[in-house]
Amino acid sequence: AQSVTQLGSHVSVSEGALVLLRCNYSSSVPPYLFWYVQYPNQGLQLLLKYTSAATLVKGINGFEAEFKKSETSFHLTKPSAHMSDAAEYFCAVSVTNTGNQFYFGTGTSLTVIP
Amino acid sequence: DAGVIQSPRHEVTEMGQEVTLRCKPISGHDYLFWYRQTMMRGLELLIYFNNNVPIDDSGMPEDRFSAKMPNASFSTLKIQPSEPRDSAVYFCASSPPGVYEQYFGPGTRLTVT
Repeated sequence: AQSVTQLGSHVSVSEGALVLLRCNYSSSVPPYLFWYVQYPNQGLQLLLKYTSAATLVKGINGFEAEFKKSETSFHLTKPSAHMSDAAEYFCAVSVTNTGNQFYFGTGTSLTVIP
Repeated sequence: DAGVIQSPRHEVTEMGQEVTLRCKPISGHDYLFWYRQTMMRGLELLIYFNNNVPIDDSGMPEDRFSAKMPNASFSTLKIQPSEPRDSAVYFCASSPPGVYEQYFGPGTRLTVT
């Protein structure tokens, strides 16, 4: 079975500080991994995805994530937080034998302090 | 591309009434997903279709919920009768052939009083 665990339902960082949002996955087969962002009153928007190519994945808005198989992790980072990064972030996993079905984490709310 | 289109964006109804949510996926996409998002339960997959055929409806909460996809460009999620605990934001998402990405619509915020 596939699942995702996001550590920390709320994360606060100062503007300009490093953003680190944690995601660990469970999968019996090589997974595809995703980070989505949700701004207030909007749908989810794809930030980046890992599909078995390079383990360091770069996404939009300066975010990146590194796939670490040994740690079953896919943490999201950004070197310098901006006020506009305040949003809800979701990690998701999918595997080829479940069609395009995604399994989402419970989300992490990011607050950026000016 | 217009993206995934959902209507209505907001729906307020009284308990016991029938509610129909609508979704138009991105043209050419062959997967369509219905999700429900609440503070208590987060993002839940309700049902998904592939080429208009329901593949997995195990997430549909109970018989009051039904979903159809009569053609590749339209899907509905119906709740009959509605209850206050159905209040949530309902998202539709679609996915293109052979690509592991889901594109989400803006959601429908449902309030049942």
